[in-house]
Amino acid sequence: EAQVTQNPRYLITVTGKKLTVTCSQNMNHEYMSWYRQDPGLGLRQIYYSMNVEVTDKGDVPEGYKVSRKEKRNFPLILESPSPNQTSLYFCASSPPFRGGPETQYFGPGTRLLVL
Amino acid sequence: GDSVTQMEGPVTLSEEACLTINCTYTATGYPSLFWYVQYPGEGLQLLLKATKADDKGSNKGFEATYRKETTSFHLEKGSVQVSDSAVYFCALTGGSQGNLIFGKGTKLSVKP
Repeated sequence: EAQVTQNPRYLITVTGKKLTVTCSQNMNHEYMSWYRQDPGLGLRQIYYSMNVEVTDKGDVPEGYKVSRKEKRNFPLILESPSPNQTSLYFCASSPPFRGGPETQYFGPGTRLLVL
Repeated sequence: GDSVTQMEGPVTLSEEACLTINCTYTATGYPSLFWYVQYPGEGLQLLLKATKADDKGSNKGFEATYRKETTSFHLEKGSVQVSDSAVYFCALTGGSQGNLIFGKGTKLSVKP
């Protein structure tokens, strides 16, 4: 089944404790992206990757890191989480189209609480 | 920069009522336009899209027409069901990389 998977689905952590949220897709998509969803703000892009070893900042990259060593995986790293990173996180992937992504396929989300 | 504005919710309707969720956009160039839906506890999934002016996207009884003259892409359905209860996001592809830019979402609740 074609899908985007994220782990963990739920995470409670404390300020400053490094964490990684994994994202994997089995559709051989080149484009992958991370979003955070907050009430009243909709989805905001954190980072995206056009292909292996190619990553770039989205609208709200502060406090996050990513890597893209393989096509299928795009982990999101919080080196020193803070309470304002409490949010619902989504990973998405897409095949490239006309030089930019079109339909994106979303993972189920990771709900993070930073105490 | 590019942006999407959609009507604030929540929207509460009775089953079989008509639905319109307004969406307008600001963009340079000619973006593609999308509606995504998020059912409770799930990720977003594409509902419909339109890639050029006057295109109509449709799926599951929902429709939206790409109106360049009014920079709008309103979502419509003639008769909603309880199972349509979800959050609906309007989006466009913008910027040099074609990334998706989302509106803030509109929550729809349909009562039996």
